[in-house]
Amino acid sequence: AQSVTQLGSHVSVSEGALVLLRCNYSSSVPPYLFWYVQYPNQGLQLLLKYTTGATLVKGINGFEAEFKKSETSFHLTKPSAHMSDAAEYFCAVSGNDYKLSFGAGTTVTVRA
Amino acid sequence: DAGVIQSPRHEVTEMGQEVTLRCKPISGHNSLFWYRQTMMRGLELLIYFNNNVPIDDSGMPEDRFSAKMPNASFSTLKIQPSEPRDSAVYFCASSLLVGPGTDTQYFGPGTRLTVL
Repeated sequence: AQSVTQLGSHVSVSEGALVLLRCNYSSSVPPYLFWYVQYPNQGLQLLLKYTTGATLVKGINGFEAEFKKSETSFHLTKPSAHMSDAAEYFCAVSGNDYKLSFGAGTTVTVRA
Repeated sequence: DAGVIQSPRHEVTEMGQEVTLRCKPISGHNSLFWYRQTMMRGLELLIYFNNNVPIDDSGMPEDRFSAKMPNASFSTLKIQPSEPRDSAVYFCASSLLVGPGTDTQYFGPGTRLTVL
């Protein structure tokens, strides 16, 4: 079985500051890891995903995440926050069964 | 591509009534997923289909919930009878499964259900 834990339900950053969202996973098989973003009243949109290979994954909108097996982590970062990054972010994991298990989500607020 | 289409976007009904949510997946995708999102429980997978066949319905909360996929371009999620605790946002997602973990699920805009 797979699960993820997102540390911090709410993160507030200043515009231009680093965005860091934390995600730790648990998996009995090699995991596939995802970050999704949800804007208000919309569905989820894939930011990036890790399957195999390079552990630093680059996604859309300037986001990237690094898979660290030794730390069972997949933290999401963006060097410089923009007002348009205000949204809810979900980390998710899947194994060999095609089923995504989502974290509880982290809401990002960007201060002007 | 139009993306995943869900209807209705909002549904308000009274306890005991039947509710039917609809989903049209992205053309060419072979898998479809139904999720429920609530503040208390977050995002939960209810059921998923592969090639129109239900593969895993272990997330369906109880017999009041049923889902069908009569063809590759249409799926329904039905609640009968509905209860206030069913109030949530229901998402449909589709993907082209070619191997574990390599697929991307594309989500629809969701149906916000309120049961009074």
